[in-house]
Amino acid sequence: EVHLVESGGGLVKPGGSLRLSCAASGFTFSTYSMNWVRQAPGKGLEWVSSISSSSSYIYYADSVKGRFTISRDNAKNSLYLQMNSLRAEDTAVYYCARKTSTSGYYLAYWGQGTLVTVSS
Amino acid sequence: ETVLTQSPATLSLSPGEKATLSCRASQSINSYLAWYQQKPGQAPRLLIYDASNRATGIPGRFSGSGSGTDFTLTISSLEPEDFAIYYCQQRNNWPLTFGGGTKVEIK
Repeated sequence: EVHLVESGGGLVKPGGSLRLSCAASGFTFSTYSMNWVRQAPGKGLEWVSSISSSSSYIYYADSVKGRFTISRDNAKNSLYLQMNSLRAEDTAVYYCARKTSTSGYYLAYWGQGTLVTVSS
Repeated sequence: ETVLTQSPATLSLSPGEKATLSCRASQSINSYLAWYQQKPGQAPRLLIYDASNRATGIPGRFSGSGSGTDFTLTISSLEPEDFAIYYCQQRNNWPLTFGGGTKVEIK
């Protein structure tokens, strides 16, 4: 069974940094593209970043480009999101999600999310 | 960036009724659209991909249609567990984008 568990969320001051982690199990992690999607309180879903299986391709939303860095460690079955220069508008639940097995880029499996709150 | 506009924002229906949700893209996205369901306090769940293909384990009362810029998610007969928020997502081009969501609530 696919299992994704996010960690690392918490309260941070504006301008601060935080590193999120996602531990994956139940599938061959090294063969799947992985993603971060966030959801501000009471709002809709916003795609944040994607990384291909071998880290060859990386994409970011404009809203986080230059501040966030996605990475992965296939030996540890783990996905990361380094978040710097955090702003109040980055406050959200951050979900780790795995791409589908099919050719289309959809999000088949999601973790339960970790809450990031940016506030002074 | 492809903007997805979902309508209506809220749909008030009774169990057993048919639900029809719309998602319109700002440019053609072929059939590269998915639908997700999200219940309070839970992560989203993939329902439909490539406009009309049900994901694994999704009941037959959920169906999707459309291509180009206009897409529809239909729930043929609402079950109590179907009252939730539904989002569409396109994968035709980067960045991946989601619609703003349609809340299906009990009338």
